[in-house]
Amino acid sequence: DGGITQSPKYLFRKEGQNVTLSCEQNLNHDAMYWYRQDPGQGLRLIYYSQIVNDFQKGDIAEGYSVSREKKESFPLTVTSAQKNPTAFYLCASSGKQGDEQFFGPGTRLTVL
Amino acid sequence: QKEVEQNSGPLSVPEGAIASLNCTYSDRVSQSFFWYRQYSGKSPELIMSIYSNGDKEDGRFTAQLNKASQYVSLLIRDSQPSDSATYLCALNTGTASKLTFGTGTRLQVTL
Repeated sequence: DGGITQSPKYLFRKEGQNVTLSCEQNLNHDAMYWYRQDPGQGLRLIYYSQIVNDFQKGDIAEGYSVSREKKESFPLTVTSAQKNPTAFYLCASSGKQGDEQFFGPGTRLTVL
Repeated sequence: QKEVEQNSGPLSVPEGAIASLNCTYSDRVSQSFFWYRQYSGKSPELIMSIYSNGDKEDGRFTAQLNKASQYVSLLIRDSQPSDSATYLCALNTGTASKLTFGTGTRLQVTL
């Protein structure tokens, strides 16, 4: 059963703590993406990766970090430098760059 | 001007009617266009892709692309209450490996 998984579904953290969100795909897709969605707003790109061991900043990369050590995995770390981290985080993947993207179920992060 | 513009709605249509959702964009070199459906609290789901001018039909959905006028639309025929969701327009300009999303139009199908 191919798809994209994200964990956890809900995450609560205290202010000042780093937190890592997991994203795994078994679609054999080369490209992977992280988005942030705030209530009533569209998707904003945080980071993306076209191939293993390479990634680029998106529109709102400050306060976030990523790694791409395996094709299947693209974890996102929300650092304490991110001023307003509470949001819905979405991971997506694509078979080729710029083509249609498929989304995981998302992680809802709340910083208390 | 935003790169991708959508009316936020809500767009309210009665059950069985045609819902028409519109999206305009500013980058003339845009090549690939997508419509996603997002239910409240859920992640976006791809429902249509369109790459060339004209209409593309898939079941009750029709995507229409007009590159000269820089708009793409989504028609939903025989609207059902289960179609009530936010519809996101997205496009790829071909110059970068990423999609640009609109803020979405909320559709309400009433009984």
